[in-house]
Amino acid sequence: GAVVSQHPSRVICKSGTSVKIECRSLDFQATTMFWYRQFPKQSLMLMATSNEGSKATYEQGVEKDKFLINHASLTLSTLTVTSAHPEDSSFYICSARQGAGDTQYFGPGTRLTVL
Amino acid sequence: QQQVKQSPQSLIVQKGGISIINCAYENTAFDYFPWYQQFPGKGPALLIAIRPDVSEKKEGRFTISFNKSAKQFSLHIMDSQPGDSATYFCAASMSRQGAQKLVFGQGTRLTINP
Repeated sequence: GAVVSQHPSRVICKSGTSVKIECRSLDFQATTMFWYRQFPKQSLMLMATSNEGSKATYEQGVEKDKFLINHASLTLSTLTVTSAHPEDSSFYICSARQGAGDTQYFGPGTRLTVL
Repeated sequence: QQQVKQSPQSLIVQKGGISIINCAYENTAFDYFPWYQQFPGKGPALLIAIRPDVSEKKEGRFTISFNKSAKQFSLHIMDSQPGDSATYFCAASMSRQGAQKLVFGQGTRLTINP
């Protein structure tokens, strides 16, 4: 149980385009979902926290207009990188938390490369 | 105050040996401490987690030791195997506050030599 999927697993896009990444909890309802980015050989950096039906809460330094997060249902959250640039190239990972539990279950990640 | 400091940055252990990774924190409000294992190109997977009301938790070859007074916790991997070669992250969160965000350590790249 507690499986989280992400789609796509990797995406290559041209500079200036927008890219949408989906995060789904497959076998549980996720009250809270989190979005992280991870640069090579570095730790996970939290970008934002989202609750179903509410606006996402962004961490300091993360541009909310650039990284649009939608948590439309208890099993789906999306991250849209708008007007992507090469510096946005990174590994994006989502996680989901069930109910009031502490455990975060992570998705397999999405490798974004912006040319 | 919100940091979790992890060491070592990298670790090489012989097959069959014990791998030990350490973490330290400052914020005494943290009350949930998970360890995650991450393979290259994959998302982190929860290995084992502990709360401060116990000093040790064991699951198979993985053991967390927790020292509340020292504000330190460690992961021990017994009988380390080449398949354990991965990056390990410790983390901490406050279970009764807000979104229960995880604060991650810097990660330890573990290599088990056959």
